[in-house]
Amino acid sequence: EPEVTQTPSHQVTQMGQEVILRCVPISNHLYFYWYRQILGQKVEFLVSFYNNEISEKSEIFDDQFSVERPDGSNFTLKIRSTKLEDSAMYFCASSEDKIEAFFGQGTRLTVV
Amino acid sequence: AQSVTQPDIHITVSEGASLELRCNYSYGATPYLFWYVQSPGQGLQLLLKYFSGDTLVQGIKGFEAEFKRSQSSFNLRKPSVHWSDAAEYFCAVGAPGYGNKLVFGAGTILRVKS
Repeated sequence: EPEVTQTPSHQVTQMGQEVILRCVPISNHLYFYWYRQILGQKVEFLVSFYNNEISEKSEIFDDQFSVERPDGSNFTLKIRSTKLEDSAMYFCASSEDKIEAFFGQGTRLTVV
Repeated sequence: AQSVTQPDIHITVSEGASLELRCNYSYGATPYLFWYVQSPGQGLQLLLKYFSGDTLVQGIKGFEAEFKRSQSSFNLRKPSVHWSDAAEYFCAVGAPGYGNKLVFGAGTILRVKS
């Protein structure tokens, strides 16, 4: 069964460093998303991406964040200068029809 | 904007007992509704979804949910809980034509006692 794959599963980074989280969506899907879940809190939408551009972003997704689809398979989330409060589980999701989203296993980002 | 309320933070049930997890949503029209399950350290697995049609939907692992428009609810049920069902359950709402993002509830942690 096709699945969304995220790497790495866990990343530790120092405050102020740049980090790139990687995702391989399901191959025939056209809509891509990033969500995050701070420990003990609800899952929050960050950004959606379609046709090589951002279609919607939340207030959380400020200038420190960017997304890219550098080739036909990867979808990345970059945080330019990480803060302690960026520590969270980051989930990538993809959708074929803009309705049902399939989530990856997540990347746990720890900023120290 | 849409919102989701899961009023129960924790629920404990005995193995073999029935289960109902509550979910209420706020949205001006009929939304898309989902239940996801998350085991510790794992990702989000889709249990079931409602888009339209029959208001009682069946999902994986023996779960079902009923959409009740009059109560703005989408409660998750299972007739007999297994120890492996212990996890966190998230209700989510998607708004048709609304940028297709999901809004999640705060989650309900299910504990199963033997």
